Amino acid sequence: QKEVEQNSGPLSVPEGAIASLNCTYSDRGSQSFFWYRQYSGKSPELIMFIYSNGDKEDGRFTAQLNKASQYVSLLIRDSQPSDSATYLCAVNMGYNFNKFYFGSGTKLNVKP
Amino acid sequence: DTEVTQTPKHLVMGMTNKKSLKCEQHMGHRAMYWYKQKAKKPPELMFVYSYEKLSINESVPSRFSPECPNSSLLNLHLHALQPEDSALYLCASSQVLAGGMGANEQFFGPGTRLTVL
Repeated sequence: QKEVEQNSGPLSVPEGAIASLNCTYSDRGSQSFFWYRQYSGKSPELIMFIYSNGDKEDGRFTAQLNKASQYVSLLIRDSQPSDSATYLCAVNMGYNFNKFYFGSGTKLNVKP
Repeated sequence: DTEVTQTPKHLVMGMTNKKSLKCEQHMGHRAMYWYKQKAKKPPELMFVYSYEKLSINESVPSRFSPECPNSSLLNLHLHALQPEDSALYLCASSQVLAGGMGANEQFFGPGTRLTVL
């Protein structure tokens, strides 16, 4: 079983819609959770992190964490074509705080 | 400043060459990482340095040799690589999180695109 799982997509949404990206993780001791955006040929760019249950909002982005159900999600409101990228979920497992496990990423396409 | 720099941006080398990748950060981070990323795959952890000491080696072949000369610099020495080692090599840094609540955000450099002929 993979430590971090994401639907590979592609997820297609029209411009202006809400894109919802999901991630599940296997280790209940996981401490912190990160969303990265990666454009083709570029390095991952940190968008948001969350470590407490509930929602965390930053501009058009909202991260949601539910530790009981072991999932974390990223909502992108008012999606723009420039949001088209691969979104990577990363989890910092509890037993080694300096080791990050990455999901395989979800490719998002925002259609104009 | 959340910048991690990497040099060179591109590197082409033969299987008998020796080369080095360099990474630098000035964010005061004491954890530094090397990842390897193949096309359409997530980053794959290779090494972690914590307080300039190697703390994680993910069973990486010895033809890859990491070095952390000081808290700001990280090198990856390459020798006798194989064509399948061609990939994007990413350096990252973060605070060291020893326990308790919080998050140690990890920031990536732009990467070195390595081609082994």
